[in-house]
Amino acid sequence: GAGVSQSPRYKVAKRGQDVALRCDPISGHVSLFWYQQALGQGPEFLTYFQNEAQLDKSGLPSDRFFAERPEGSVSTLKIQRTQQEDSAVYLCASTLPGLADILDTQYFGPGTRLTVL
Amino acid sequence: AQKVTQAQTEISVVEKEDVTLDCVYETRDTTYYLFWYKQPPSGELVFLIRRNSFDEQNEISGRYSWNFQKSTSSFNFTITASQVVDSAVYFCALRLAGGTSYGKLTFGQGTILTVHP
Repeated sequence: GAGVSQSPRYKVAKRGQDVALRCDPISGHVSLFWYQQALGQGPEFLTYFQNEAQLDKSGLPSDRFFAERPEGSVSTLKIQRTQQEDSAVYLCASTLPGLADILDTQYFGPGTRLTVL
Repeated sequence: AQKVTQAQTEISVVEKEDVTLDCVYETRDTTYYLFWYKQPPSGELVFLIRRNSFDEQNEISGRYSWNFQKSTSSFNFTITASQVVDSAVYFCALRLAGGTSYGKLTFGQGTILTVHP
């Protein structure tokens, strides 16, 4: 597709359930980022992939959060045993770094709004 | 650690008024990039502009203009002759150029702009 896509757009989970959020980056984009955006706040970094390698996961709030990108394209963010504080919009962004600065801009998907009851 | 502050939580203007959104950043790095993103009600972050720390030239794009002042660590955004369609949340963000940041963005808390007809 032309842009970053994410699915589902909305997810409601009961506390304790596991959820999986999907991100399809722009075709050919090497780098992929996940951000968490709480209500009324700016996005906060969760994790970063370059191709299939997860190079930075310093922003993941707990070991219940896990991300993967096994073939270097689609990425999945998994949250185990969801809790109410996990309610937020999860944003995915992709970029094509390294070739020229002008290309190194992150383009964002529409996000997945997760509500944990 | 770097930080981005958008002191204006909400701004309300009437159509055709000019409006300036403030952004102040903190970083010890000498090479970095600054961004502005727009987040309409649909939720997707839309890239508006990117500036690098070596280029303090102001930029104008249609009704949008940006004023980068390294001396005051500010990167302000002005919309001239605002329109209802400009209503959105606007985020300022900072990205370091190197080190172990891997290009992750640090966002401000956002400014909610409402333009009334």
